[in-house]
Amino acid sequence: GQQLNQSPQSMFIQEGEDVSMNCTSSSIFNTWLWYKQDPGEGPVLLIALYKAGELTSNGRLTAQFGITRKDSFLNISASIPSDVGIYFCAGQAGTASKLTFGTGTRLQVTL
Amino acid sequence: GAGVSQSPSNKVTEKGKDVELRCDPISGHTALYWYRQSLGQGLEFLIYFQGNSAPDKSGLPSDRFSAERTGGSVSTLTIQRTQQEDSAVYLCASSPTSGSMGEQFFGPGTRLTVL
Repeated sequence: GQQLNQSPQSMFIQEGEDVSMNCTSSSIFNTWLWYKQDPGEGPVLLIALYKAGELTSNGRLTAQFGITRKDSFLNISASIPSDVGIYFCAGQAGTASKLTFGTGTRLQVTL
Repeated sequence: GAGVSQSPSNKVTEKGKDVELRCDPISGHTALYWYRQSLGQGLEFLIYFQGNSAPDKSGLPSDRFSAERTGGSVSTLTIQRTQQEDSAVYLCASSPTSGSMGEQFFGPGTRLTVL
């Protein structure tokens, strides 16, 4: 099935640094979502974006819904060790429809 | 409150055997989704149930895969004549209402290994 292009594939950063990752699609989505997945668990929703151009924050996380509706980015500021995990973007074409996921960004944080 | 639960958490089976995976969605959620996650990959949509509507089966990879949802709640994903390429984590998610704005809540998954 289709997967969205997500980059970078992995990141190794030091505690306290800022992180940026992005996601692009060849098709338009009406909703963009960012999830975090820890080992052995299901993804947990971090941020949901519903309008093109929307910029939304959740604590140290900031995400934007691209104006073309074909891309989104997620920023994490002042990273901490518990930020370690795999981050997935997901696009949704309509309300309550299936999600199309990105390929994931694996984040490692060193002290 | 209770989240989405799935059972079993791990399943090891032999090639050719049938398996059933169970999902208990969050109470009151009308939409239920199954996804598959292969090692190191993102999630791949399999099937989606919404209320009493016909399910969206567009993601099922072959006719060996089927799913049902009884009483608008519990769902079972069945894989017949399992193959080694079916090995993956199978994740279930549920969503509050038909008009929900995308928040899908995931269970911990069932890790399936086909020997």
